[in-house]
Amino acid sequence: QSALTQPASVSGSPGQSIAISCTGTSSDVGSYNLVSWYQQHPGKAPKLMIYEVTKRPSGVPDRFSGSKSGNTASLTISGLQAEDEADYYCCSYAGTYYVFGTGTKVTVL
Amino acid sequence: EVQLVESGGTLVQPGGSLRLSCSASGFTFRSHAMHWVRQAPGKGLQFVSAISGNGGTTFYADSVKGRFTISRDNSKNTLYLQMSSLRAEDTAVYYCVKDGYDSGNIRGCYFDYWGQGTLVTVSS
Repeated sequence: QSALTQPASVSGSPGQSIAISCTGTSSDVGSYNLVSWYQQHPGKAPKLMIYEVTKRPSGVPDRFSGSKSGNTASLTISGLQAEDEADYYCCSYAGTYYVFGTGTKVTVL
Repeated sequence: EVQLVESGGTLVQPGGSLRLSCSASGFTFRSHAMHWVRQAPGKGLQFVSAISGNGGTTFYADSVKGRFTISRDNSKNTLYLQMSSLRAEDTAVYYCVKDGYDSGNIRGCYFDYWGQGTLVTVSS
């Protein structure tokens, strides 16, 4: 049950696009289209941003999008805004458990 | 409005036991799997345990298997986590999480509502 691998940090200027990768194995990310992404601001509970790789819950801006190729999933934030500065975590179903990513701190320059 | 309110977190000695509770409202509780996810201070999210809507299926992280037990009382709309043989590394904020699917089955990583968390500190 090893954590999925994410870059520790990603940064961008307002209006730019950034992408966060989430690398797992053929037992988790590669086997299921059941990857989700969570945004967490300091001191707050996580918030669902993407589920089932590409689906956005109501209320999440369409600047957020997800994709997957093989054992790696990605979250893209287009038109980066100041309020997007937060920690982001991916999560994958793995058959009999779930596994989260190591987390990525997004900084808006 | 969906609400998840955790309780039971406190300071406990290594080797001790504790039961967390999560009171749920605003949705048909029995129709949704429920989960516990924890976050150690300054660290990332970690899956702890999951339970199906009827309580018949459970999942555990290897790190808690045999020490923690998840359960639910659908008549009281309440989720529980019984924790025993606690270790320092179990110190974390424990979140109660609602599953987004309404089949009641444990399926995808679709955690649509989170409680505010309850802090468990394991220390002598």
